[in-house]
Amino acid sequence: EPEVTQTPSHQVTQMGQEVILRCVPISNHLYFYWYRQILGQKVEFLVSFYNNEISEKSEIFDDQFSVERPDGSNFTLKIRSTKLEDSAMYFCASSQNERQGITYEQYFGPGTRLTVT
Amino acid sequence: RKEVEQDPGPFNVPEGATVAFNCTYSNSASQSFFWYRQDCRKEPKLLMSVYSSGNEDGRFTAQLNRASQYISLLIRDSKLSDSATYLCVVNKGGGTSYGKLTFGQGTILTVHP
Repeated sequence: EPEVTQTPSHQVTQMGQEVILRCVPISNHLYFYWYRQILGQKVEFLVSFYNNEISEKSEIFDDQFSVERPDGSNFTLKIRSTKLEDSAMYFCASSQNERQGITYEQYFGPGTRLTVT
Repeated sequence: RKEVEQDPGPFNVPEGATVAFNCTYSNSASQSFFWYRQDCRKEPKLLMSVYSSGNEDGRFTAQLNRASQYISLLIRDSKLSDSATYLCVVNKGGGTSYGKLTFGQGTILTVHP
């Protein structure tokens, strides 16, 4: 069964450093997302991406964050200068299809645990 | 009012029990509804989409009441492997809201022998 993969599974970084989290969405999916979950809290939307551009982003997704699809398979989330409060589990998700207002099922990767020290 | 609200539980039930989870959402324009399950420190896994007509998948039954903005999940004949956190998830829809899922806090279920 096709699945979303993410690397690394755990990333430890120092405050102020840049990190890049990588995701390989399901191959025939066209819509890609990043979510995060701070320990003990709910899953929060960060950004959606389609056709090589951001479709929507949340208030959390400020200028320190960026996303990219550098090739036909990878989808990355970059945090330019990490803060302590960026420590969380970051999940990538993808979906096959979508039309305005209707979301089709999103499938999540196993996540990258980011620890900022 | 929270966008998606769930009873956090925990629910502790014996194997074989029937358990029901409830969820309410605040945005009446919401268009897509889902139940996900999440095991400890793992990713959310899609359990089922929820349709207005209600839908069933084996031991799991989901219902949607748009007028009351209420979603439910019923698990029959609980198994030990059903122990997890159950997430009520809503897509607000409309405007430019492509695919943004809004998650509830989750309801913790523990099934014991």
